Amino acid sequence: EPEVTQTPSHQVTQMGQEVILRCVPISNHLYFYWYRQILGQKVEFLVSFYNNEISEKSEIFDDQFSVERPDGSNFTLKIRSTKLEDSAMYFCASRGGLAGGQGFFGPGTRLTVL
Amino acid sequence: AQTVTQSQPEMSVQEAETVTLSCTYDTSESNYYLFWYKQPPSRQMILVIRQEAYKQQNATENRFSVNFQKAAKSFSLKISDSQLGDTAMYFCAFMIWGGSNYKLTFGKGTLLTVNP
Repeated sequence: EPEVTQTPSHQVTQMGQEVILRCVPISNHLYFYWYRQILGQKVEFLVSFYNNEISEKSEIFDDQFSVERPDGSNFTLKIRSTKLEDSAMYFCASRGGLAGGQGFFGPGTRLTVL
Repeated sequence: AQTVTQSQPEMSVQEAETVTLSCTYDTSESNYYLFWYKQPPSRQMILVIRQEAYKQQNATENRFSVNFQKAAKSFSLKISDSQLGDTAMYFCAFMIWGGSNYKLTFGKGTLLTVNP
């Protein structure tokens, strides 16, 4: 069964450092997402990506964040200068073109900012 | 903007019994989908069940069923014959159908504990 994969599973970084979280969505999916879950809180939408551009971003997704789909298979989330409050679980999700299909979530990357 | 409310932060149930988790939502949209996701301690997000708003029939998936009340904007999840493996965080989620987005809006979750 196809699945969304994410690497690394756990990333520890120092405040102010840049991090790149990587995702490989399900092949032939068209919609890509990043969500964030701070420990003990709900899952929050960060950004959606469709047709090689951002289709929507939340207020959380400020200038420190960027996304790329550099090679047609990977989907990355970059945080330029990490803050302590960026510590969270980051989920990548992808969705096919069929109307109403649910997003398939990756296993998540736990980001710890020290 | 859409909002999803789960009013029960925690619930517990005895193994083999039935439990119902509540979810209400607010939207002015007419075409949307509702989902229940399960998040076990591994923190993986696992789809449990989905409901299309245009369908009157409540969705069922084995031991899991929903009570979808569109007029009341209510979407509860019933778990029958609860098993220890059902212990997890359960999130209700909403998705507008259409456009170029299809993002999910989640509630705060309900922590369900199944006791032996």
